[in-house]
Amino acid sequence: ILNVEQSPQSLHVQEGDSTNFTCSFPSSNFYALHWYRWETAKSPEALFVMTLNGDEKKKGRISATLNTKEGYSYLYIKGSQPEDSATYLCAFSITGANSKLTFGKGITLSVRP
Amino acid sequence: ETGVTQTPRHLVMGMTNKKSLKCEQHLGHNAMYWYKQSAKKPLELMFVYSLEERVENNSVPSRFSPECPNSSHLFLHLHTLQPEDSALYLCASSLSDRVEEKLFFGSGTQLSVL
Repeated sequence: ILNVEQSPQSLHVQEGDSTNFTCSFPSSNFYALHWYRWETAKSPEALFVMTLNGDEKKKGRISATLNTKEGYSYLYIKGSQPEDSATYLCAFSITGANSKLTFGKGITLSVRP
Repeated sequence: ETGVTQTPRHLVMGMTNKKSLKCEQHLGHNAMYWYKQSAKKPLELMFVYSLEERVENNSVPSRFSPECPNSSHLFLHLHTLQPEDSALYLCASSLSDRVEEKLFFGSGTQLSVL
């Protein structure tokens, strides 16, 4: 059984604070890592897909890094805004013909104005 | 709007009912998925279809029966469900079934089984 651990489970920050989340996964046979943002009453939306060790991706104020050797990815949000309030999911997969994505439980971020 | 539409948004059914969930994607994708999210649990993959053929059946009970008549439509037929099947059911699509492809999700069907 492959487990994805996300921490912390929830986070409450003030508008303007920067924050970061961790996604941990087994480092053996790594293939791909996904981050999704899921706002309440909406659909999960893809933020990033990363496959290479050391990969760093950025989308506006949000960026992500990947360390496949030690099995973790960080998601950073610079200058959090109330509209960043959402659940952030990570999912990873290993190599193999029938590989599929395994999701974490998500991190719920609440940004106070 | 992600281009993936699910109906109905909410469904309440008894254990003896038969109902179907519908998913439609307008993105020209070749792979479609059913995921289940129960309270306090991660998203669980149920089924994967690629080019209308089922490529993954993740040990799902037979009371859930998927159907993919073409690459744009996906159904999940439900019969004799149990209360523990109450959950959010999400449909997703991607360009192909390769795991490095982004998933595009619908808004989900919130199912309650009484």
